[in-house]
Amino acid sequence: AQKITQTQPGMFVQEKEAVTLDCTYDTSDQSYGLFWYKQPSSGEMIFLIYQGSYDEQNATEGRYSLNFQKARKSANLVISASQLGDSAMYFCAMRDLSGGYQKVTFGTGTKLQVIP
Amino acid sequence: GAGVSQSPRYKVAKRGQDVALRCDPISGHVSLFWYQQALGQGPEFLTYFQNEAQLDKSGLPSDRFFAERPEGSVSTLKIQRTQQEDSAVYLCASSSLVGYEQYFGPGTRLTVT
Repeated sequence: AQKITQTQPGMFVQEKEAVTLDCTYDTSDQSYGLFWYKQPSSGEMIFLIYQGSYDEQNATEGRYSLNFQKARKSANLVISASQLGDSAMYFCAMRDLSGGYQKVTFGTGTKLQVIP
Repeated sequence: GAGVSQSPRYKVAKRGQDVALRCDPISGHVSLFWYQQALGQGPEFLTYFQNEAQLDKSGLPSDRFFAERPEGSVSTLKIQRTQQEDSAVYLCASSSLVGYEQYFGPGTRLTVT
């Protein structure tokens, strides 16, 4: 079974500073994908970034980067130059890629608040 | 629009009533998922469709929950005899068969009184 752990219920960051949101995972699968989603107060889940377990390089998407440490089973999200609009819930998630079935397991989330 | 749509956005039901929640996936997306998100929690998987076939319903919490996708596009999640513990946001997501990203709808917030 897959499990995602996000140990930070809430985080504060000063505007324009960088922030790291922690995520650790547990799986016996060799091939898997890791995701981060943003959920603003409006409720929609917005895809941010993806990392495959066999990807050599850490994924980056604009101000988002994923610090992937496979041996430690961690997939932390780094947001650079925080903006007020980054205030939201952030969910780490993973998916088994081996069988073609795309079930995704989510963590409990981290609430990020950006302070002006 | 081109995204996933869900209706209604908000639903208030009295305990014991039946409800039906609708999901319109992105056109052409083969895979469709339903998730339940309780307040302050991450989404929890309910069920998965590939086209019209329901391949996994292991997350449905009880036999009061039923989902269908008869023509492989629109899906309906039905909850019979609603209970207070059913109060949650119900999220629908779709994806292509080979794509890794799931596209989520805005969700339906169900409140059972």
